[in-house]
Amino acid sequence: EVQLVQSGAEVKKPGESLRISCKASGYSFTNYWITWVRQMPGKGLEWMGRIDPSDSYINYGPSFQGHVTISVDKSINTAYLQWGSLEASDTAMYYCARVLYCSSTSCYSPFDYWGQGTLVTVSS
Amino acid sequence: DIVMTQSPDSLAVSLGERATINCRSSESILYSINNKNYLAWYQQKPGQPPKLLIYWASTRESGVPDRFSGSGSGTDFSLTISSLQAEDVAVYYCQQYYTTPFTFGQGTKLEIK
Repeated sequence: EVQLVQSGAEVKKPGESLRISCKASGYSFTNYWITWVRQMPGKGLEWMGRIDPSDSYINYGPSFQGHVTISVDKSINTAYLQWGSLEASDTAMYYCARVLYCSSTSCYSPFDYWGQGTLVTVSS
Repeated sequence: DIVMTQSPDSLAVSLGERATINCRSSESILYSINNKNYLAWYQQKPGQPPKLLIYWASTRESGVPDRFSGSGSGTDFSLTISSLQAEDVAVYYCQQYYTTPFTFGQGTKLEIK
């Protein structure tokens, strides 16, 4: 059974750093890209970026480039999303998701399995 | 960026009736090489992550009830629930995966009348 299990809720202060995780199981981790999606309180879905676990190739959405870092540790089938300096506007639910299908040359495909979400609260 | 606009923002339909949600992209998301529309629909129930319902505009994900169907091409798309069930109460999002940044519609909240 494919599962993406995310780390637990976090409460942080502005300026603090944070790394949240997404552990995959039930499939070959390096065969499927992982993507991250933000959902601010009461709002819609925003694509943050994606990573190819086989070689750590990354695409960031322009709104998130330079503010977050996406990475993987394929030895433990885990993807990460991290911030160097949190802001109050980073308060949101963050989801990881698996990309349904990627060829060897392109990866334009929907997201078929989702983690349960990690709630990040940033408040002074 | 491709802007995805859904209509309506909210919708109330009686049990057993048809519900239709529309989605328009700011540019065509039909790839001429393979004749596929790079459009997906997701369902999100309160307190849950989104769930993939439809992709390639009209392909139903495995396990999704056949009362859900997708249609459209180019820039105009629809999600139809043929006979609304109580468990279909949710927010529905369309998404284009034609080009990065991948973008979602603002969501349509579906309720029971």
